[in-house]
Amino acid sequence: DAGVIQSPRHEVTEMGQEVTLRCKPISGHDYLFWYRQTMMRGLELLIYFNNNVPIDDSGMPEDRFSAKMPNASFSTLKIQPSEPRDSAVYFCASSTGLAGFTDTQYFGPGTRLTVL
Amino acid sequence: KQEVTQIPAALSVPEGENLVLNCSFTDSAIYNLQWFRQDPGKGLTSLLLIQSSQREQTSGRLNASLDKSSGRSTLYIAASQPGDSATYLCAVSPGLDLIFGKGTTLSVSS
Repeated sequence: DAGVIQSPRHEVTEMGQEVTLRCKPISGHDYLFWYRQTMMRGLELLIYFNNNVPIDDSGMPEDRFSAKMPNASFSTLKIQPSEPRDSAVYFCASSTGLAGFTDTQYFGPGTRLTVL
Repeated sequence: KQEVTQIPAALSVPEGENLVLNCSFTDSAIYNLQWFRQDPGKGLTSLLLIQSSQREQTSGRLNASLDKSSGRSTLYIAASQPGDSATYLCAVSPGLDLIFGKGTTLSVSS
């Protein structure tokens, strides 16, 4: 398997524009996670899905952020409108979520977002 | 609210030295603790996963310990090499999600 795939790897946009980040999880993984990493706050969980259904979105910072998972092999994280404080690296991760939480999460390479 | 702290934030050592990275967490109600490695511009790679019922895990030159009651974990790296230079992140799992520390950036000089 190619691992978790994210696109684009880098995104530069202007304040107010819509940004869409994409993720393809590892085949067979039932759980998908979106994280944001900044110098100030470190890695923070934004939202996660189980079998394409959002389970916990309490980490989504505000209504400008939305995430979808239309099928088992694709998820998007959208920011509309974007603001400079959204600049960060956004990671997608997937796991099998085995009972007993024995499985680790596999991370994609991340998307570095810069909002000017 | 669970908080994870890693000390030191940065560490520089000469090649060949043994070293210890520290992680502490405030709530002992965890399922497991993991150590990840992050290289610049790259994603995270899981190094070791310790279940809450376990005390330690070993992989090659890496050994991670867990003392759940005191809320502490250590990552021991033996005979460090320049290729070990990276940021090491500790994360605890209260459920399916992970709560991360801010990491220790390690630099090993040859």
